[in-house]
Amino acid sequence: DAGVIQSPRHEVTEMGQEVTLRCKPISGHDYLFWYRQTMMRGLELLIYFNNNVPIDDSGMPEDRFSAKMPNASFSTLKIQPSEPRDSAVYFCASRKLAGELFFGEGSRLTVL
Amino acid sequence: GESVGLHLPTLSVQEGDNSIINCAYSNSASDYFIWYKQESGKGPQFIIDIRSNMDKRQGQRVTVLLNKTVKHLSLQIAATQPGDSAVYFCAENTGGFKTIFGAGTRLFVKA
Repeated sequence: DAGVIQSPRHEVTEMGQEVTLRCKPISGHDYLFWYRQTMMRGLELLIYFNNNVPIDDSGMPEDRFSAKMPNASFSTLKIQPSEPRDSAVYFCASRKLAGELFFGEGSRLTVL
Repeated sequence: GESVGLHLPTLSVQEGDNSIINCAYSNSASDYFIWYKQESGKGPQFIIDIRSNMDKRQGQRVTVLLNKTVKHLSLQIAATQPGDSAVYFCAENTGGFKTIFGAGTRLFVKA
């Protein structure tokens, strides 16, 4: 298996622009997680899905952030409009019912 | 020794020595604990896990100890190698679904 695949790996955009991050989880994994990593706040859980259904989005910072999982092999995290404080590395991870998380390589976002 | 840097606690060890990385977790209801290793520019990778009904688990060169009384986890790395240099995170699961990460510890291995 190719592992969790994220795109883009790097994104530089200007404040106010829409950003869409994409994730393909490992086939057969029931859970998908979106995390944000910054030096100040570490790894923060934003939202997670079970069988494509959002279960807990209490970590989503504000209404500018939204996430979808239209099918078992694809998820998006969207920020609209983006702000400089959204600059971070965004990780997608997936796992089966039990066990450890498998992370993608991350999407590094810079908002100017 | 161990010191607090600007952002992450840092542990510096000599190659070949044993390393001990500590972690305090927050939720007494957590029932599953995992250690992850994150190298620069990559996502965290699984090292070893332990369930709350155990107090010790061993892997290859790594051992995890769990003390539920004081809500403390430790990761022991035997014969530390330069390739072990990374940031190490402990993580806890509550109810088996949500994984919450600790702040992380940066390990430097001196050759």
